[in-house]
Amino acid sequence: NAGVTQTPKFQVLKTGQSMTLQCAQDMNHEYMSWYRQDPGMGLRLIHYSVGAGITDQGEVPNGYNVSRSTTEDFPLRLLSAAPSQTSVYFCASRNRQANLYGYTFGSGTRLTVV
Amino acid sequence: TQLLEQSPQFLSIQEGENLTVYCNSSSVFSSLQWYRQEPGEGPVLLVTVVTGGEVKKLKRLTFQFGDARKDSSLHITAAQPGDTGLYLCAGTNFGNEKLTFGTGTRLTIIP
Repeated sequence: NAGVTQTPKFQVLKTGQSMTLQCAQDMNHEYMSWYRQDPGMGLRLIHYSVGAGITDQGEVPNGYNVSRSTTEDFPLRLLSAAPSQTSVYFCASRNRQANLYGYTFGSGTRLTVV
Repeated sequence: TQLLEQSPQFLSIQEGENLTVYCNSSSVFSSLQWYRQEPGEGPVLLVTVVTGGEVKKLKRLTFQFGDARKDSSLHITAAQPGDTGLYLCAGTNFGNEKLTFGTGTRLTIIP
């Protein structure tokens, strides 16, 4: 199994540009989430989804959009990139009925906005 | 907003020593998870504790959930260089998928 796959691994954007971070999982997990990780601040939840067609905001949703048209995919869209969005982004998924097993994380996308 | 404070933020010790990392909050959580993250990778789940006072062991790692479910600790016995990494605690609440992460403890084991 590939687990959680994130693309791209690295990206440099200019301020004001838009882009989509891709996330796909092949484990048929219902729950998927996006986090950003900044130095000294741990991981902060951006958006999450409990199933196809259902999304909700996390702690830091401003400037980001998500959609969940299939169980496998959960893309994160940056509408107009800002330097404050420079961060490492992680996608994660878990099985709805496996609360004890926690989340499986992708290997991350390192985004720099100049 | 629920907060999880981890201490120490940085820890560097010699191989073979013991250590404890703490995860504290003023809020009650239904479960606490511990993850380890290595450079360039995502966090990997080590354990989940769900009952107040619960103790779980994973080889040389011992995890404890506080009686009031507001805090947790991770104790490593006879640390090895392979234990080096960023340790993160994360709390959940019933019926809520919002996982709250702690600030992390960066552990370095010196051979």
